[in-house]
Amino acid sequence: AQTVTQSQPEMSVQEAETVTLSCTYDTSESDYYLFWYKQPPSRQMILVIRQEAYKQQNATENRFSVNFQKAAKSFSLKISDSQLGDAAMYFCAYRSSLIIQGAQKLVFGQGTRLTINP
Amino acid sequence: DTGVSQDPRHKITKRGQNVTFRCDPISEHNRLYWYRQTLGQGPEFLTYFQNEAQLEKSRLLSDRFSAERPKGSFSTLEIQRTEQGDSAMYLCASRQGDVQPQHFGDGTRLSIL
Repeated sequence: AQTVTQSQPEMSVQEAETVTLSCTYDTSESDYYLFWYKQPPSRQMILVIRQEAYKQQNATENRFSVNFQKAAKSFSLKISDSQLGDAAMYFCAYRSSLIIQGAQKLVFGQGTRLTINP
Repeated sequence: DTGVSQDPRHKITKRGQNVTFRCDPISEHNRLYWYRQTLGQGPEFLTYFQNEAQLEKSRLLSDRFSAERPKGSFSTLEIQRTEQGDSAMYLCASRQGDVQPQHFGDGTRLSIL
């Protein structure tokens, strides 16, 4: 079974600075998807960025980028120019690319609570 | 708003009562998921539907839990004889096809007195 580990329960950063959230995962599969989701307090979980494992190029979405190290099974999220609205729980998640029963669910890490200091 | 809709947002009930939650996915999405999230933790998978067929159930889904998606549109999650340990946020997500990511609803927060 796949597992996802986020070793930083909490992180804080000054507004406008850069912060990196860590995520490692364990799988025996060669093709899969990785995601970062953001969950603001009492609000909906929103997809921030995703990475297909077969793509070597790291995904980027505006101020958000990832460092995907497939051999090391590492998938970190970098937030540049942090803004107050970035404060939230961030979850790293894994999904198999296999189209079979049992492979469709997201496996989440424990989450990292990000605080932005003004 | 055409996002995933969940009802109710909050449910408070006494231990031993039955509760039912509803999820309306994004209209063209054929895949629907239920997750449970306890305080300070990441969501854990409960069950998955493709159209009206329930294709996977987690070990977390005890025999007190049942989920349906009768016409391949909305879904319901029922918990019978609720216990203190059932207190959690119940999240619904949907997606279309094999490649697209899951879109989440706001969740239903269940509190057991």
